[in-house]
Amino acid sequence: SAVISQKPSRDICQRGTSLTIQCQVDSQVTMMFWYRQQPGQSLTLIATANQGSEATYESGFVIDKFPISRPNLTFSTLTVSNMSPEDSSIYLCSVNPGDGNYGYTFGSGTRLTVV
Amino acid sequence: AQSVAQPEDQVNVAEGNPLTVKCTYSVSGNPYLFWYVQYPNRGLQFLLKYITGDNLVKGSYGFEAEFNKSQTSFHLKKPSALVSDSALYFCAVRDMINSGNTPLVFGKGTRLSVIA
Repeated sequence: SAVISQKPSRDICQRGTSLTIQCQVDSQVTMMFWYRQQPGQSLTLIATANQGSEATYESGFVIDKFPISRPNLTFSTLTVSNMSPEDSSIYLCSVNPGDGNYGYTFGSGTRLTVV
Repeated sequence: AQSVAQPEDQVNVAEGNPLTVKCTYSVSGNPYLFWYVQYPNRGLQFLLKYITGDNLVKGSYGFEAEFNKSQTSFHLKKPSALVSDSALYFCAVRDMINSGNTPLVFGKGTRLSVIA
């Protein structure tokens, strides 16, 4: 299965600033998925990122707040912009490597605290 | 639209006793079903999946799950619980119609507490 390197693992940020989260996959994948997990809650899909096109955002998430880049088939970034304490969450990226095992792999997550 | 329900926020079980974590799903076609576990300050770890075939699926760490199409359920089970099984468990689904380029939909999670 694919291996994802996600950075940073955690950060404490001042409100009003931005943080960019990176995910590097050890194989080429068509789609990358970005999730948010608020404290004690489930995973909510933020957007789906395809290489060479604009990401597709779920209801409640907008590009100005969560811009995503997907420059190639192994890498993506998610930026959390103009942060507020309500953005404090764990952010995770995920891929389906399409190796026939139908498994989805997840990054280790970025624990963000906004103060 | 796909959805997953985990009706229990918390499950408590004594060490050595069997455990069950419940999951029901809704998809437009046949489902691909998954269980993941999340330990404190850790990422999601894959436990097992149902794609097709035998309704009883065996996975990591002695866990298994039974697919029941008529009840649209995919309950996670383990014959003998360990204290180290204490964690947050997520059920997830994707319909078979769409390709692997579609994301998983997750349940709200069930916190399992195994008491020594």
